[in-house]
Amino acid sequence: EVQLVESGGGFFQPGESLRLSCAASGFILSNHWMHWVRQVPGKGLMWVSRIKEDGSYTSYADAVEGRFTISRDNAKNTLHLQMNSLRVDDTAVYYCVRERKGSYGAFDIWGQGTMVTVSP
Amino acid sequence: SYELTQPPSLSVSPGQTASIPCSGDELGTKFVYWYQQRPGQSPLLIILQNTERPSGIPERFSGSNSGNTATLTISGTQAMDEADYYCQAWDTSRGVFGTGTKVTVL
Repeated sequence: EVQLVESGGGFFQPGESLRLSCAASGFILSNHWMHWVRQVPGKGLMWVSRIKEDGSYTSYADAVEGRFTISRDNAKNTLHLQMNSLRVDDTAVYYCVRERKGSYGAFDIWGQGTMVTVSP
Repeated sequence: SYELTQPPSLSVSPGQTASIPCSGDELGTKFVYWYQQRPGQSPLLIILQNTERPSGIPERFSGSNSGNTATLTISGTQAMDEADYYCQAWDTSRGVFGTGTKVTVL
């Protein structure tokens, strides 16, 4: 079964750092661009970041540029999101998302999400 | 920054057709994707590259994209289609989601 499982969420204070992880199974991670998407509970979706199959290219939403870093370990079938200088408005469910190969950017597999709460 | 606008809500009777617009500057020059999100669940891809349905997505879901507006159409709406729907596109290497539309079937 194709599956993405996120971990690392929890409660944090402004200014702190955390690292989210996403364990991929049922497919070859190195064949796919991977993304992080977040959603404030009860609100809409927001794309956060993406990384190329081999990790050689990344891009970020303006809101997280310079604070978040996406990375991957294809040998361990794992995607990461390093989140520094956390802000209250980073509070959201963070989804690990697979891009469908050859689709020009369609998100075909989503994890269940991990909740990150940033509060003083 | 690029924006995609959707109506916040839409109501439809069972068996009727629901049309959800997604508006953005020159959106017709981009690929548009649509996602369904039921309460408490992760989003599900239902349309890719404007008109294509992934395997397993019912034929009642269809998409179009022209000018400044993309449209998701649900024909013969069923109770199970009650959900939030989001359009999505790419602009300057960044993903952009629409504001989302809550579809109520009543």
